[in-house]
Amino acid sequence: AQKITQTQPGMFVQEKEAVTLDCTYDTSDPSYGLFWYKQPSSGEMIFLIYQGSYDQQNATEGRYSLNFQKARKSANLVISASQLGDSAMYFCAMREESYGGATNKLIFGTGTLLAVQP
Amino acid sequence: ETGVTQTPRHLVMGMTNKKSLKCEQHLGHNAMYWYKQSAKKPLELMFVYNFKEQTENNSVPSRFSPECPNSSHLFLHLHTLQPEDSALYLCASSQGPGERNSPLHFGNGTRLTVT
Repeated sequence: AQKITQTQPGMFVQEKEAVTLDCTYDTSDPSYGLFWYKQPSSGEMIFLIYQGSYDQQNATEGRYSLNFQKARKSANLVISASQLGDSAMYFCAMREESYGGATNKLIFGTGTLLAVQP
Repeated sequence: ETGVTQTPRHLVMGMTNKKSLKCEQHLGHNAMYWYKQSAKKPLELMFVYNFKEQTENNSVPSRFSPECPNSSHLFLHLHTLQPEDSALYLCASSQGPGERNSPLHFGNGTRLTVT
């Protein structure tokens, strides 16, 4: 069965510094997708970045990058140059994508609460 | 209006009430979802609809009844709820099965309190 683990319940980072949020996963499916979402206090889940299991390069989207280590089954999110507006909950999620296409089941971890300090 | 819209934003109901949550997406997606978010728990997938057909029911109690009249609208009908059902209910949409790199787009959620 697929599983997502986020071991950091909370993290602090100084404004303008980089921070890494950890995510490990478990699946027996050879093809899968990994997602990161941000949830501010308003409640909306905001999609940040996607990494496919067969992608050759680590995904990047602006200040977000994904440190994907397939052998270790980890997909850590790196936020560079942190801003006060980055303070939020961050969720790692996974979807199994074998048999010619993606299923719909996106499974989430428990999240990491990031606080950016001025 | 664009994106995924959920109404109401907040709902307080007694255990004997009947209420409905509404979700509407303006993204042209073919799949819609209900998730439940409780404090200190991962998001729990409740239901998945693809092209208006329910394809996933994650062992959800029958007091939650989903309805998907078309690919743009999704409802969650609630009746005889329990206090432990109090949570944030999130609706999402995506392009549908078979679409890799298709993230879920979420609404702002409905904060439900059962008294």
